[in-house]
Amino acid sequence: DGGITQSPKYLFRKEGQNVTLSCEQNLNHDAMYWYRQDPGQGLRLIYYSQIVNDFQKGDIAEGYSVSREKKESFPLTVTSAQKNPTAFYLCASSNWAGAYNEQFFGPGTRLTVL
Amino acid sequence: GENVEQHPSTLSVQEGDSAVIKCTYSDSASNYFPWYKQELGKRPQLIIDIRSNVGEKKDQRIAVTLNKTAKHFSLHITETQPEDSAVYFCAASRSGGSNYKLTFGKGTLLTVNP
Repeated sequence: DGGITQSPKYLFRKEGQNVTLSCEQNLNHDAMYWYRQDPGQGLRLIYYSQIVNDFQKGDIAEGYSVSREKKESFPLTVTSAQKNPTAFYLCASSNWAGAYNEQFFGPGTRLTVL
Repeated sequence: GENVEQHPSTLSVQEGDSAVIKCTYSDSASNYFPWYKQELGKRPQLIIDIRSNVGEKKDQRIAVTLNKTAKHFSLHITETQPEDSAVYFCAASRSGGSNYKLTFGKGTLLTVNP
């Protein structure tokens, strides 16, 4: 399961606060992704990055921001503008951003807004 | 954009029986269809995938079939075992273009009863 890590495992935040979730990979993968997982909703794409210094919005990007300054790192910031941030967040990476490439997932971060 | 529907949302079988999970997709240009398995408390992992130039693919007790005309694909698990209990996600994507992403179904919770 190694290769892609997320921290922290659990995160609590007060309403109105921004919070940053960490995602690191040592697989030398070009592409990285952030998904949100809610019960019964599957995996919904928040943001993805095909290459360093470039990223695109996914299906539910509102209230989130990302950066990709290094190949191995793709942090996600959940801003106070995200109306329902409590969820399980999964980061993934793949060899390159194209079809037929397996996505490898991190262990996830469970965010709870108090 | 692509839309993937997955059925059923829950499936309970007796050990040794077969299980079938079905997905439909909307984008006729989609040509890659992976299946991910997520055990309780763990990260999703790829278990099998199929490309559009193939109608069926098998790997030991699991198989996937694809009907491009009808735009649906299915996961078949034979001789189910308790360790097959998990949430299964189908996904679809298409190669080419500058914005590659996977669209996931909402998942099927499979329970294999001993």
